[in-house]
Amino acid sequence: GAVVSQHPSWVICKSGTSVKIECRSLDFQATTMFWYRQFPKQSLMLMATSNEGSKATYEQGVEKDKFLINHASLTLSTLTVTSAHPEDSSFYICSGDRGGTGELFFGEGSRLTVL
Amino acid sequence: AQSVAQPEDQVNVAEGNPLTVKCTYSVSGNPYLFWYVQYPNRGLQFLLKYITGDNLVKGSYGFEAEFNKSQTSFHLKKPSALVSDSALYFCAVRGTNTGGFKTIFGAGTRLFVKA
Repeated sequence: GAVVSQHPSWVICKSGTSVKIECRSLDFQATTMFWYRQFPKQSLMLMATSNEGSKATYEQGVEKDKFLINHASLTLSTLTVTSAHPEDSSFYICSGDRGGTGELFFGEGSRLTVL
Repeated sequence: AQSVAQPEDQVNVAEGNPLTVKCTYSVSGNPYLFWYVQYPNRGLQFLLKYITGDNLVKGSYGFEAEFNKSQTSFHLKKPSALVSDSALYFCAVRGTNTGGFKTIFGAGTRLFVKA
């Protein structure tokens, strides 16, 4: 299967700071990447769809100025949580779409804790 | 709009017994249906998918799922459960119409397999 690497796997930051999470497709080109957020014991909530070379498409209720997504190349998408607050603490998971096959390939997730 | 329902929060089964994890979906157009598994603090792993063809699809680790169009269901099954199958299972649907490109996940079902 295809491999997606997500970094960092966990991060602790102070309230008001910004945190960047990277998502890389290691052995395939991901024209589209998806960012999900998962709360404890809950499902994945789609935050945004990231397309290489264009602006991300955010789901309703997701603040685009809060969660900045950049998809600068076919193998890298980044999510920056700006001015983080404790309520932003969550498990963030990215996934890549290899195209044509339908299934998604997920990173290992990044656990963000904002103090 | 597309949606996925997993009616059971938790399924308990004894090792060696068959298991079923239920999923129903709603989507306009032909559905792409998926099952993913998540182990604690990890990303999701793809198990199997239905795109077209045989209604019974076989996937990883001995799992299979049956697509039932009339009942809009895609239940996950395994003839003989293992303790190592204990995990969180997500059903997902991806629409094929314009705007239905994104993958939506069900709430998840936690499977406990008892030795």
